[in-house]
Amino acid sequence: GAVVSQHPSRVICKSGTSVKIECRSLDFQATTMFWYRQFPKKSLMLMATSNEGSKATYEQGVEKDKFLINHASLTLSTLTVTSAHPEDSSFYICSARWSETYEQYFGPGTRLTVT
Amino acid sequence: DAKTTQPNSMESNEEEPVHLPCNHSTISGTDYIHWYRQLPSQGPEYVIHGLTSNVNNRMASLAIAEDRKSSTLILHRATLRDAAVYYCIPDIQGAQKLVFGQGTRLTINP
Repeated sequence: GAVVSQHPSRVICKSGTSVKIECRSLDFQATTMFWYRQFPKKSLMLMATSNEGSKATYEQGVEKDKFLINHASLTLSTLTVTSAHPEDSSFYICSARWSETYEQYFGPGTRLTVT
Repeated sequence: DAKTTQPNSMESNEEEPVHLPCNHSTISGTDYIHWYRQLPSQGPEYVIHGLTSNVNNRMASLAIAEDRKSSTLILHRATLRDAAVYYCIPDIQGAQKLVFGQGTRLTINP
């Protein structure tokens, strides 16, 4: 199956700083990528849909100025958590949708801890 | 949006078949039904998807009710590596996004 990578896999940052998470589709072009957040023992919550070359579409309740998404190429999307706070600590997962099938391929996730 | 209902948890024994049910009574006629699973501390993994007829692949089978209001994911011989949270998700046409419910936590006993 197709491979999606995320970098970093784990990150610890101090409160007030910004953190960037990269999501790459390694062997296919993804016109659409998605960002999810998952708290412990909870399900994935969709944060935003990112289309290459256009602005991301955010789900209700997700602050677009806090979670900056850039989808500059067909293989790379980035999520920047700005001015991070401890409540932003979570497991962030991206997925990429191959334009030719219905399948979405998920990255391994990035665990963010804000101290 | 189509809503799904799955049991919170299920338990089975190794090498036995497992039937994971999902109710999606509000699904529309063109919404595919997707199943993903998530192992601990990993991203979700695609399992199978279908529209109307039953589907088989190397991982599982998907049985879709004739009225499409429910479906069942079938693992023919469960292994310990099948222990995961299984999500049944309608892929709403045009939305191009997967919205996850609570899923079913499957435990496999050796």
